Amino acid sequence: SQELEQSPQSLIVQEGKNLTINCTSSKTLYGLYWYKQKYGEGLIFLMMLQKGGEEKSHEKITAKLDEKKQQSSLHITASQPSHAGIYLCGADGYETSGSRLTFGEGTQLTVNP
Amino acid sequence: KAGVTQTPRYLIKTRGQQVTLSCSPISGHRSVSWYQQTPGQGLQFLFEYFSETQRNKGNFPGRFSGRQFSNSRSEMNVSTLELGDSALYLCASSFGTGREKLFFGSGTQLSVL
Repeated sequence: SQELEQSPQSLIVQEGKNLTINCTSSKTLYGLYWYKQKYGEGLIFLMMLQKGGEEKSHEKITAKLDEKKQQSSLHITASQPSHAGIYLCGADGYETSGSRLTFGEGTQLTVNP
Repeated sequence: KAGVTQTPRYLIKTRGQQVTLSCSPISGHRSVSWYQQTPGQGLQFLFEYFSETQRNKGNFPGRFSGRQFSNSRSEMNVSTLELGDSALYLCASSFGTGREKLFFGSGTQLSVL
């Protein structure tokens, strides 16, 4: 089965700083999803990447997919307290595309004002 | 457009009891998937229903079951509750047509005493 490893597990940054969260897969990535979660609440969709080399941005968040390295990175520029939360990467397999996602353990982000 | 609605939001049960959780997907979505989130195991896939049929199933015991109705609303049932079933249960909906983003509800926090 596919496993996803996220690093770091937790991150504390000062407001305005840039940061990067990584997600590494044990298998080939076909679909890679990034979600954000507030503790005890549902997941908010951030981005979906499907092709190697693909890069997407939304406001100050950019995600990239390196298919060869079986890795994705999420980069936040000029972080704000509103970026705080748990960031989760999820992936599906070639034969199970769609709803059956495997998730990483998550990265807890704290942004100090 | 209303989001994914899960009820109840919080639930407290005792060991041995059974519980039913409900999920109303976004209008037009035919796929509903369920996930269990715990501090120790993270976010794990339970099962997915599409057009009233179970399409995918995760590695959970038979005590965990679900169903989907003709209006795409879904319920999951856990029988003979164990302490380890305490978790946040999340449902997600989508059109179910392939690799697409999942829309998550706020979850049901189940505590088993």
